[in-house]
Amino acid sequence: EAQVTQNPRYLITVTGKKLTVTCSQNMNHEYMSWYRQDPGLGLRQIYYSMNVEVTDKGDVPEGYKVSRKEKRNFPLILESPSPNQTSLYFCASSSRTEQFFGPGTRLTVL
Amino acid sequence: EDQVTQSPEALRLQEGESSSLNCSYTVSGLRGLFWYRQDPGKGPEFLFTLYSAGEEKEKERLKATLTKKESFLHITAPKPEDSATYLCAVQDPMNRDDKIIFGKGTRLHILP
Repeated sequence: EAQVTQNPRYLITVTGKKLTVTCSQNMNHEYMSWYRQDPGLGLRQIYYSMNVEVTDKGDVPEGYKVSRKEKRNFPLILESPSPNQTSLYFCASSSRTEQFFGPGTRLTVL
Repeated sequence: EDQVTQSPEALRLQEGESSSLNCSYTVSGLRGLFWYRQDPGKGPEFLFTLYSAGEEKEKERLKATLTKKESFLHITAPKPEDSATYLCAVQDPMNRDDKIIFGKGTRLHILP
């Protein structure tokens, strides 16, 4: 079954404590991306990757890092989380015609 | 600058009451227009991709249509399980790396 998995699904943390949200896809897609979704603001792209070792900033990259060492994995790293990064995060994996989203990670930064 | 605007923001219908959701867009070029369904707290679920004006696609009670300026998602005789937020997105080949731009969605609530 084609899918995008994210872990953890829920996370409560404190300001400044580094965290990583993992993302994995089993569709052999080259293109992967991270979004955050906030009430009234919709989906906003954080980072994307066109292929292994190729990443680039989206609309709201500040405070985030990513890496793409393998085609299937695209982790999102928050080196020093702050309360304004409290949000619902989605990883997505795309072919030329469809985009598949993960189930989401609800992050709360206290 | 590319823009995607969805209307209405929210819509309440009685079960069986057909209606349409609108997605208007401003792009330099259109590689594809996408419709998604999103349930609360879950990831968007892909519904359709439309590529050119005049194209239509159907899935159960949903039909998506496309013109040069907008797309409609028609919902025929909806059921309560059709309640969700419906997202529209466009992909502009003139954007760097074919970036996909999302609208803010229409929240649809079907009353039994």
